[in-house]
Amino acid sequence: QVQLVQSGGGVVQPGRSVRLSCAVSGVTFSAYGMHWVRQAPGKGLEWVAFISYDESNKYYSDSVKGRFTISRDNSKNTLFLQMNSLRPEDTAAYYCAKDNSYYSSGSLDYWGQGTLVTVSS
Amino acid sequence: EIVMTQSPATLSVSPGERVTLSCRASQSISNNLAWYQHKPGQAHRLLIYGAFTRATGVPARFSGSGSGTEFTLTISSLQSEDFAVYYCQQYNTWPPITFGQGTRLEIK
Repeated sequence: QVQLVQSGGGVVQPGRSVRLSCAVSGVTFSAYGMHWVRQAPGKGLEWVAFISYDESNKYYSDSVKGRFTISRDNSKNTLFLQMNSLRPEDTAAYYCAKDNSYYSSGSLDYWGQGTLVTVSS
Repeated sequence: EIVMTQSPATLSVSPGERVTLSCRASQSISNNLAWYQHKPGQAHRLLIYGAFTRATGVPARFSGSGSGTEFTLTISSLQSEDFAVYYCQQYNTWPPITFGQGTRLEIK
């Protein structure tokens, strides 16, 4: 079965960096676009970033553009989110998610369990 | 950015009841709408995409309808395992992908 296992996160000071990982199994990882979505405490879901299957296209939300970098290693079936210059408003549960189609439609058929990032001094 | 609005925020229902959740887009999104279910401690689950296509393994009691700006998710007969938070999401015009704020189904 398809599994997305997340790691990384934790408590980090404002201005510092952290990297999230998402290991994918049970599917041909290199054939699908991948997304990161987050949910701040008491708030709704916010899409964060997308990377195409071959890394040729990367998109970011305005709230993280220039600070976060999405990447992937298709040889290791792993997705990454490098988060720099962190702010308290970046505090959230972060989820990786697989795109539902080969052409990256934008619907998300499998999600990770989430990893909490808390930005606090 | 397309704004997605779900209603109601919370719905108290009894097992066995039929329930309809609503989702409205701030502009037309054709049928590029998905519904997700989320239970505490579990991964989000895709229920419906393309406004009405059930995802793999989703029971037939879940159905989606609508197009343009108005969408609904109907659960024909609520089971105990259906009590969760439900989110709609548009993917017609992205980035950014946008989600509704969610509807929480509670046991009455």
